[in-house]
Amino acid sequence: KAGVTQTPRYLIKTRGQQVTLSCSPISGHRSVSWYQQTPGQGLQFLFEYFSETQRNKGNFPGRFSGRQFSNSRSEMNVSTLELGDSALYLCASRQGTAAQETQYFGPGTRLLVL
Amino acid sequence: AQSVTQLDSHVSVSEGTPVLLRCNYSSSYSPSLFWYVQHPNKGLQLLLKYTSAATLVKGINGFEAEFKKSETSFHLTKPSAHMSDAAEYFCVVTMNQAGTALIFGKGTTLSVSS
Repeated sequence: KAGVTQTPRYLIKTRGQQVTLSCSPISGHRSVSWYQQTPGQGLQFLFEYFSETQRNKGNFPGRFSGRQFSNSRSEMNVSTLELGDSALYLCASRQGTAAQETQYFGPGTRLLVL
Repeated sequence: AQSVTQLDSHVSVSEGTPVLLRCNYSSSYSPSLFWYVQHPNKGLQLLLKYTSAATLVKGINGFEAEFKKSETSFHLTKPSAHMSDAAEYFCVVTMNQAGTALIFGKGTTLSVSS
């Protein structure tokens, strides 16, 4: 099975712009989660989607949003980019929503905001 | 609230010597606990997970961890380090019983010298 794929792998944007990142989960996985990784804050949970519904959202401003499509692919959008949004954005998928289920991570999208 | 603390930000060992990466957690319920590894410019890979079935958990590449409820610890060990083990390691706890999100520790960088 192919792993979790994320596109694009690298992005450079300027302050005030918006950006959309894409994540394709492992085939058969219906849950997709997003995380932000920065040197200062580490890995932080953004949100999780299951069957096109947001199940949980982390402590991020409303500029961060996401959605999931019927084929389980997910996108996250960041509007009005700030310098502090520069980070590695990781997507993870799992088959269902049981707490003990393993989340499989993609390689990430590295976003640089200038 | 759930939390996880990795007690060492950096651990250095010689090849062939034991590895110990320490992790303490705080949880208001019986948590699911994970160890993930991140090699440079690569995604997060699951090493092992604890889901209440057995307190001693064996993972990939010779790693294992022991869940100690009385000490609220989940330390990661390996009897003999290999150069390829050099990476960043994250101790992870589920945010809630529904498992809708993961809480990551700050990470421990493992260096292995020859």
